[in-house]
Amino acid sequence: GAVVSQHPSRVICKSGTSVKIECRSLDFQATTMFWYRQFPKQSLMLMATSNEGSKATYEQGVEKDKFLINHASLTLSTLTVTSAHPEDSSFYICSAGIIGATDTQYFGPGTRLTVL
Amino acid sequence: AQTVTQSQPEMSVQEAETVTLSCTYDTSESNYYLFWYKQPPSRQMILVIRQEAYKQQNATENRFSVNFQKAAKSFSLKISDSQLGDTAMYFCASKPRNAGGTSYGKLTFGQGTILTVHP
Repeated sequence: GAVVSQHPSRVICKSGTSVKIECRSLDFQATTMFWYRQFPKQSLMLMATSNEGSKATYEQGVEKDKFLINHASLTLSTLTVTSAHPEDSSFYICSAGIIGATDTQYFGPGTRLTVL
Repeated sequence: AQTVTQSQPEMSVQEAETVTLSCTYDTSESNYYLFWYKQPPSRQMILVIRQEAYKQQNATENRFSVNFQKAAKSFSLKISDSQLGDTAMYFCASKPRNAGGTSYGKLTFGQGTILTVHP
């Protein structure tokens, strides 16, 4: 149980295009999902907290117009990187928390974004 | 506010031996959780062990155990009988305990420790 999926696992795009990454909780309902960014051999950096049916809360320094987050249902959150540039290339990871259970977050397998 | 510090960027251990990864933290919360996550080369984050700060007993999961020293704000991970599959980056993390309702507090991660298990 407690499986989180992400799609796509890898994406390569041209500079200036937009890319959407999906995060799904497959066997549980998640009121809250989190989006992280990770550079090689570094820790996870929280970008935003996404609550179902409401606007995401962005961390300081994260451009909300650049990284659009939508949490339309209890099992799906999406991150759209708009007008992507090479500096947006990174590994993006989502996580989800289970309603009414302990405070453990379960992580998706991540998405590697490369912007040419 | 929470901070988590892992002072060992890299560690190595021989297969079948025991290794301890260090973690210290600081928090203004009275109730919180502590976690160790493992990130192998696949980069999938895997929960290794979880400790509830209000419980004095150290958590144990098979070969993995923690030494939780609340007064010292220390939360080290001991891996016994190390296996090649334990090679990964390990992250210590803390999180305020959910006070109720449906919102979740944020996880604060340490810098990570790269552990290599040698045959």
